Amino acid sequence: KAGVTQTPRYLIKTRGQQVTLSCSPISGHRSVSWYQQTPGQGLQFLFEYFSETQRNKGNFPGRFSGRQFSNSRSEMNVSTLELGDSALYLCASSLGVSGSYNEQFFGPGTRLTVL
Amino acid sequence: EDQVTQSPEALRLQEGESSSLNCSYTVSGLRGLFWYRQDPGKGPEFLFTLYSAGEEKEKERLKATLTKKESFLHITAPKPEDSATYLCAVQAGSGGYQKVTFGIGTKLQVIP
Repeated sequence: KAGVTQTPRYLIKTRGQQVTLSCSPISGHRSVSWYQQTPGQGLQFLFEYFSETQRNKGNFPGRFSGRQFSNSRSEMNVSTLELGDSALYLCASSLGVSGSYNEQFFGPGTRLTVL
Repeated sequence: EDQVTQSPEALRLQEGESSSLNCSYTVSGLRGLFWYRQDPGKGPEFLFTLYSAGEEKEKERLKATLTKKESFLHITAPKPEDSATYLCAVQAGSGGYQKVTFGIGTKLQVIP
């Protein structure tokens, strides 16, 4: 069974630009969550999508947005990039059914560097 | 606000020297506690899910336990390949509104 895939793996952008990251979940998984990981903050929850609807949202500014498609693939967009947005962005998929096994399986991440 | 605290931040062990990692949490409506292993430059790899106090799970040299306020990851006779950052996460909430909160992690180094 194929795991979670994320593209691209590495990105270098300059301040003020925008970026779109993509995530393909494990087949059959309907929930996709996004996290930002930095050395000092650890994994910070960005948002979760389930059946094309945003179900939960973390404490990030509106520059961070996402969406999920009917095939459960998800994209995350960051507009007006800032230096502090440099991080590893991780996507995780899970079955997403409330009350069931909800362990998340992570992709390899996209390393974003903002210059 | 949900909080997850892991200790120690870093741990250095000799090969074969058993120890435990701690994850304490303060959440409302715990649905599950997860342990992950993360190698440098990679995404976290799922290890265990624990749902209720008293539950234990084992996998090779790792054993996870859960109480009402904390979880322990016991590492028995570790090997150098066990070196990684171990992350604890809790899922809390009710119904369809559930959130996962991660701890900062414990960086484990096992020396041959």
